[in-house]
Amino acid sequence: GEQVEQRPPHLSVREGDSAVITCTYTDPNSYYFFWYKQEPGASLQLLMKVFSSTEINEGQGFTVLLNKKDTRLSLNLTAAHPGDSAAYFCAVSASGGSNYKLTFGKGTLLTVTP
Amino acid sequence: EAAVTQSPRSKVAVTGGKVTLSCHQTNNHDYMYWYRQDTGHGLRLIHYSYVADSTEKGDIPDGYKASRPSQENFSLILELASLSQTAVYFCASSPDWGEDTQYFGPGTRLLVL
Repeated sequence: GEQVEQRPPHLSVREGDSAVITCTYTDPNSYYFFWYKQEPGASLQLLMKVFSSTEINEGQGFTVLLNKKDTRLSLNLTAAHPGDSAAYFCAVSASGGSNYKLTFGKGTLLTVTP
Repeated sequence: EAAVTQSPRSKVAVTGGKVTLSCHQTNNHDYMYWYRQDTGHGLRLIHYSYVADSTEKGDIPDGYKASRPSQENFSLILELASLSQTAVYFCASSPDWGEDTQYFGPGTRLLVL
């Protein structure tokens, strides 16, 4: 089945710096990709949903890049601020059959210091 | 706005005891899920359901049962709680399987002693 490797497990940056989190997945038929943010003691909140037909998606203060050739998904926070401090999880879903469930990465704990 | 609630929010249980975690959603979603979160493991799927009175095994179902008595309610049951089941448990719901965003509840922190 699908396997998702997320790197790095911990990331510490200064305010204003960029932060990049990367997930690699194994199933080339994966079609839906998600980034979730989990603040301390809280639940998971959707950050962005990406379809395989689009390669670059921009949100408020972040960009998601999808490289299907390398089966890699990345989240780039362009100018991190302390409010971005949280755990981030990628999730990947293949299309069809029993692979249609979400497989989560193990998460990245991001700390942004002033 | 989508709403998934869980009860209890935290629980201390004894080894060998029975634990029931409850989840309620007002999203009118067909799919509901139970995950456990452990440090360093992300979220792992325990059970899921796509219709009332039916449940399916996820990736780590051993030691857990699930019950979906209605579209809105989904329970996770630990018949004989063990130390290894100490974790945070999240319930989620979604309109469909895989392609749709899953909406998560606040989580239940379970400590088995």
